[in-house]
Amino acid sequence: DAGVTQSPTHLIKTRGQQVTLRCSPISGHKSVSWYQQVLGQGPQFIFQYYEKEERGRGNFPDRFSARQFPNYSSELNVNALLLGDSALYLCASSTTGGPYEQYFGPGTRLTVT
Amino acid sequence: DQQVKQNSPSLSVQEGRISILNCDYTNSMFDYFLWYKKYPAEGPTFLISISSIKDKNEDGRFTVFLNKSAKHLSLHIVPSQPGDSAVYFCAASAEEYGNKLVFGAGTILRVKS
Repeated sequence: DAGVTQSPTHLIKTRGQQVTLRCSPISGHKSVSWYQQVLGQGPQFIFQYYEKEERGRGNFPDRFSARQFPNYSSELNVNALLLGDSALYLCASSTTGGPYEQYFGPGTRLTVT
Repeated sequence: DQQVKQNSPSLSVQEGRISILNCDYTNSMFDYFLWYKKYPAEGPTFLISISSIKDKNEDGRFTVFLNKSAKHLSLHIVPSQPGDSAVYFCAASAEEYGNKLVFGAGTILRVKS
């Protein structure tokens, strides 16, 4: 079975631009969560979607938004990029919306210049 | 507010010996705990988890111990192998928070052959 896939792998953007990151969960998984990981820190929770509804939002500004599609894939959008948005963005999927194992994709490395 | 702490940034162990990675948490609402391993340029890989109703869970060479009164958990790897060299993250979650995972900053494990 295919794992969680994310695209693109790497991305370079300029300050002020907008970016869209994509995630496909493991087949059968209905929950997708997004995390941001900066160097030297653990992943930080951004959003959770379950059955296409937002179930949780972390402490991130409104420039960050996400959605989940009928096939359970998801997009993370970040507007008005700042240098501090440079990070590894991780997508994780799980079977339910509860606090159980989540399986992570390889991430998208975003660099903002 | 660092709710999950991994106080050892790094650990070096000889091949064949035991590796013990530690994690402390402050939020008494946490009721599910997970360990992830991360190699460079990859997403975190789920290793093992434990519910707060247990104090020990084993899976092959990996054992997680939970001490709720001390708000402390540890991951034991026996015997350690060079392929175990990676960053290990402790994560915690609570039913009330959906499947939001709160991560520690990670511990770099180096297993020397």
